[in-house]
Amino acid sequence: AQKVTQAQTEISVVEKEDVTLDCVYETRDTTYYLFWYKQPPSGELVFLIRRNSFDEQNEISGRYSWNFQKSTSSFNFTITASQVVDSAVYFCALRDNTGGFKTIFGAGTRLFVKA
Amino acid sequence: DTEVTQTPKHLVMGMTNKKSLKCEQHMGHRAMYWYKQKAKKPPELMFVYSYEKLSINESVPSRFSPECPNSSLLNLHLHALQPEDSALYLCASSQPQTGGRYEQYFGPGTRLTVT
Repeated sequence: AQKVTQAQTEISVVEKEDVTLDCVYETRDTTYYLFWYKQPPSGELVFLIRRNSFDEQNEISGRYSWNFQKSTSSFNFTITASQVVDSAVYFCALRDNTGGFKTIFGAGTRLFVKA
Repeated sequence: DTEVTQTPKHLVMGMTNKKSLKCEQHMGHRAMYWYKQKAKKPPELMFVYSYEKLSINESVPSRFSPECPNSSLLNLHLHALQPEDSALYLCASSQPQTGGRYEQYFGPGTRLTVT
């Protein structure tokens, strides 16, 4: 069965600190897709990144970076030099061939960035 | 244009009322979704439409009735709701596929309160 685990419920950091959000997934499929979404207090989920199971290259986008490791079934997200605007709930998610249209979300990690 | 719009933003309704939530996207996506999200929880899938046909119904009570009048619009008709149905209702869209490849784009949600 598919599962996504985000063990960190809440993280609090001070502005300019680096922070890593952990994500561990389970799937039996060899083809699958991993996502990160951000949900600010306004409520809308914002798509951040998609990574497919055949591409283990890490990705960097500005202050955001993602570390995908199939050997440990992890897809961790690091924010460098955090800012107050990064305060939000972050969801890691999985879609695979078996699940098709269904997105399996982790429980989410609430990030507080204090000024 | 990567925008999904939802109306209304807030809705308060009594248990005997009938109301509708509306969602619109103009990204040419042919898969549209309704999610329900309770506080401090991840979104839960309710319905999926693919090419305007109902593809997935996650055993949602019949007091929720989805409708997809065309490829850009998605409605959720509400009737005889219960207080426990109070939640944030999110609409999303994506490219249509069964393999899970594409990310979803979410609207800002309708915050529903049932009194």
